[in-house]
Amino acid sequence: NAGVMQNPRHLVRRRGQEARLRCSPMKGHSHVYWYRQLPEEGLKFMVYLQKENIIDESGMPKERFSAEFPKEGPSILRIQQVVRGDSAAYFCASSPPTGGPNRGEQYFGPGTRLTVT
Amino acid sequence: SQQGEEDPQALSIQEGENATMNCSYKTSINNLQWYRQNSGRGLVHLILIRSNEREKHSGRLRVTLDTSKKSSSLLITASRAADTASYFCATAGGGDDKIIFGKGTRLHILP
Repeated sequence: NAGVMQNPRHLVRRRGQEARLRCSPMKGHSHVYWYRQLPEEGLKFMVYLQKENIIDESGMPKERFSAEFPKEGPSILRIQQVVRGDSAAYFCASSPPTGGPNRGEQYFGPGTRLTVT
Repeated sequence: SQQGEEDPQALSIQEGENATMNCSYKTSINNLQWYRQNSGRGLVHLILIRSNEREKHSGRLRVTLDTSKKSSSLLITASRAADTASYFCATAGGGDDKIIFGKGTRLHILP
């Protein structure tokens, strides 16, 4: 069972370009989460999605950022008109559709390191 | 906010010694999790402790949870060079599946 996959692993974009980050959850997982990590900091929640639904986007910047998790294919985090401050590591995690005491246990991908020049 | 906050921010110990990291949080939780992150790499899930559990072991790891004090500790016994990493606690609670991370403790094991 392959783990969470993210690609690309490294992405370099010039200011003003678009960045597309992809995440394929573990097999059988229907919940996807995106996090951003700045250097020397912890992970900051961005968005929580289930298939074709955004459940919680309270951590997403109001502009330029969007996320989707279509019925088929990977989840996409899209950053339009990137700026230098968007440079960070972006991690995706997935979890199975369970509730109860193990709620929240997530499995992380290796991350995409975005550098904006 | 239910954000976890780790203490200390950084810790250096000799190989073979035990390392203890603490985490405090603010609101009620369903569970608390510890993760490890090696420099420049993704996160590895270490252990999950439920709100009705007080202690849990996994290999050289021992996690305690005190819900009355809203705190948890991670103990790594007989530390090894490979334990050098950042350690994060994350809490899950309320009605959603979102987990909130602290800023982490950077652990450095000296040879």
